[in-house]
Amino acid sequence: EPEVTQTPSHQVTQMGQEVILRCVPISNHLYFYWYRQILGQKVEFLVSFYNNEISEKSEIFDDQFSVERPDGSNFTLKIRSTKLEDSAMYFCASSESGHGVAFFGQGTRLTVV
Amino acid sequence: DQQVKQNSPSLSVQEGRISILNCDYTNSMFDYFLWYKKYPAEGPTFLISISSIKDKNEDGRFTVFLNKSAKHLSLHIVPSQPGDSAVYFCAASGDNTGKLIFGQGTTLQVKP
Repeated sequence: EPEVTQTPSHQVTQMGQEVILRCVPISNHLYFYWYRQILGQKVEFLVSFYNNEISEKSEIFDDQFSVERPDGSNFTLKIRSTKLEDSAMYFCASSESGHGVAFFGQGTRLTVV
Repeated sequence: DQQVKQNSPSLSVQEGRISILNCDYTNSMFDYFLWYKKYPAEGPTFLISISSIKDKNEDGRFTVFLNKSAKHLSLHIVPSQPGDSAVYFCAASGDNTGKLIFGQGTTLQVKP
């Protein structure tokens, strides 16, 4: 069964460093998303991406964040200068349409120290 | 800004009985609702969804009910099994980007 895969599963980084979280969405999906979940809190939307551009972003997704689809398969989230409060589980998701079920990856646990 | 609320942080039921998880929303523009199940250190797994033009959708042991006038939906699991023990998230969408707004989650424990 097709699935969304994310790497790495766990990333530890020093405050102020740049991190890139990687995702391979399901191959025939056209809509891509990043969400995050801070420990003990709910899953929060960060950004949606369609047709090689951001279609919507949340308040959390400030200038420190960027997304890219560098080739036909990968979808990345970059955090330019990490802060302690960026520590969270980051989930990539993809869907066939902009109005359907989103399938999630297993997540990347980002720890900023 | 809690557009989607799950007011019960936890629920405990006996194996074989019915589990009912509830979710309320405030945004009348939401037109598609989903339930996800999540185990620790894993991503949310899609369970079942419902469009706002329906009031019920059933898939095996899982049934979702939607009451648009009350802005309320519920997930029924019957019979409940110990493997159903997980965190259940309600989510809603209402635009063409597919952005999902999640509730806080309800931890379900099914006791053998």
